[in-house]
Amino acid sequence: DQQVKQNSPSLSVQEGRISILNCDYTNSMFDYFLWYKKYPAEGPTFLISISSIKDKNEDGRFTVFLNKSAKHLSLHIVPSQPGDSAVYFCAASASFMGSQGNLIFGKGTKLSVKP
Amino acid sequence: KAGVTQTPRYLIKTRGQQVTLSCSPISGHRSVSWYQQTPGQGLQFLFEYFSETQRNKGNFPGRFSGRQFSNSRSEMNVSTLELGDSALYLCASSLVVTTSTDTQYFGPGTRLTVL
Repeated sequence: DQQVKQNSPSLSVQEGRISILNCDYTNSMFDYFLWYKKYPAEGPTFLISISSIKDKNEDGRFTVFLNKSAKHLSLHIVPSQPGDSAVYFCAASASFMGSQGNLIFGKGTKLSVKP
Repeated sequence: KAGVTQTPRYLIKTRGQQVTLSCSPISGHRSVSWYQQTPGQGLQFLFEYFSETQRNKGNFPGRFSGRQFSNSRSEMNVSTLELGDSALYLCASSLVVTTSTDTQYFGPGTRLTVL
C-alpha cells in the first residue's frame, strides 16, 4: 500500500513556464514533507521541505504548498529552466516513526523542460 | 563542507556472495539512513543508525544488516546475494535526529549488480 503517491510519472513543460508537480499521501500522521531532485546515477538532492504546521514554503524559484485536509502537496517551479529536467521525488516522515530517519518516498515524476 | 560519500560506486557480485557497502556522512551528522532504489519499487527505507545504534528498520529480510561506528561512518552488508538485490543503494545523513524536521542529505549511491 503506497502511502505517498505521485500519480504523474512524467511532465513536460516549456522553458520559462510554471512546472507543478503533485503528491498525495494517505497517512495523516505524516508531519514533515520534502522534495528531492534526482539525476540518473546520482543520489537525490534536497530541494525544499515543509512542516505540517505551515501551508507554504518558498525558496527562490521553488515553492511547496501543503493542503492537509486534502492530504496533498505540490511543488511549483517558476520559471522552469532546462536544467530543472530531472526526476522529482516527494517524501514524507512522521514523528511517530521514532525518528526522521525513515522517509517514505513517492515513485517520482520525470520533469522535462523544453527550450 | 564535503557531502556524503559512498564507496564503492559500482560493484558486481554473483548470487550467493556477500557484499559490504560503506558510507561516510557529512561532518557533524550523527544519523545515517540507508535506502534501496529499484525501478519497480522506487526508494525504500532499509534502516537508520544513530549513535552506533539501529533506531529504525524497514521491511527487508535479515540478509540486510548494517552498523555504525563511533565516527558516524556506516556500513551495510548483504549476505547470500540474490538477483533481486541488484539496485542502487543510497546512504543519507542528517545532523541530529530529535524531531521529524531534520533534513536528510544523500550520497551518490552504490550501484550493485548481482549476476
